[in-house]
Amino acid sequence: QLQLQESGPGLVKPPETLSLTCTVSGGSISTHSHYWVWIRQPPGKGLEWIGNIYYDGGTNYNPSLKSRVTISVHTSENQFSLKLRSVTAADTAVYYCARQLGGGLLPWGQGTLVTVSS
Amino acid sequence: DIQMTQSPSSLSASIGDRVTITCQASQDISNYLNWYQQKPGKAPKLLIYDASNLETGVPSRFSGSGSGTDFTFTISSLQPEDIATYYCQQFDHLETWTFGQGTKVEVK
Repeated sequence: QLQLQESGPGLVKPPETLSLTCTVSGGSISTHSHYWVWIRQPPGKGLEWIGNIYYDGGTNYNPSLKSRVTISVHTSENQFSLKLRSVTAADTAVYYCARQLGGGLLPWGQGTLVTVSS
Repeated sequence: DIQMTQSPSSLSASIGDRVTITCQASQDISNYLNWYQQKPGKAPKLLIYDASNLETGVPSRFSGSGSGTDFTFTISSLQPEDIATYYCQQFDHLETWTFGQGTKVEVK
């Protein structure tokens, strides 16, 4: 059974870089037709798609975040990662990783809260 | 960018009631729409994919319909465990995905 787990610092100072890793277990990240996705949810608010990556490294980003975001895949470690530069308090959120299967997101990681504060 | 307008933002219903949520896309997205359920402190869960297909293991009281720009999500008989926030999500433009604003379902 495929499982995803986010990891990384829970506190980031502005204007540093937020860095998170998603570890995939129970299956290979190099599977054709699967994209790997980052999504975030500010406290008490809705879901925001950050971007996705294919196993070959091809990426798509939310235009509103594109200038600050890099998503990378690390196939040998069965992981993919998120870097968000120049963070502000507005980037405080629960960050989720997920697998994109067809158009749906399944499964999701449990999410990790990242707080941006000095 | 495709915008998704979801309504209502919240609703209150009694156990056993029929609950309906709508999602409207700013342009034609065919049937490229999913519905998710999110309970407090948990990750969202995929319920409906491709507008009307029930994900494996999801109770049949959940259903979805629509195509083009107008979509509907229905709970035929609200159960206590259905109290959650529901989101639509479009993926027609695979380069950019969009979620609806969410509908919080509460018990009256």
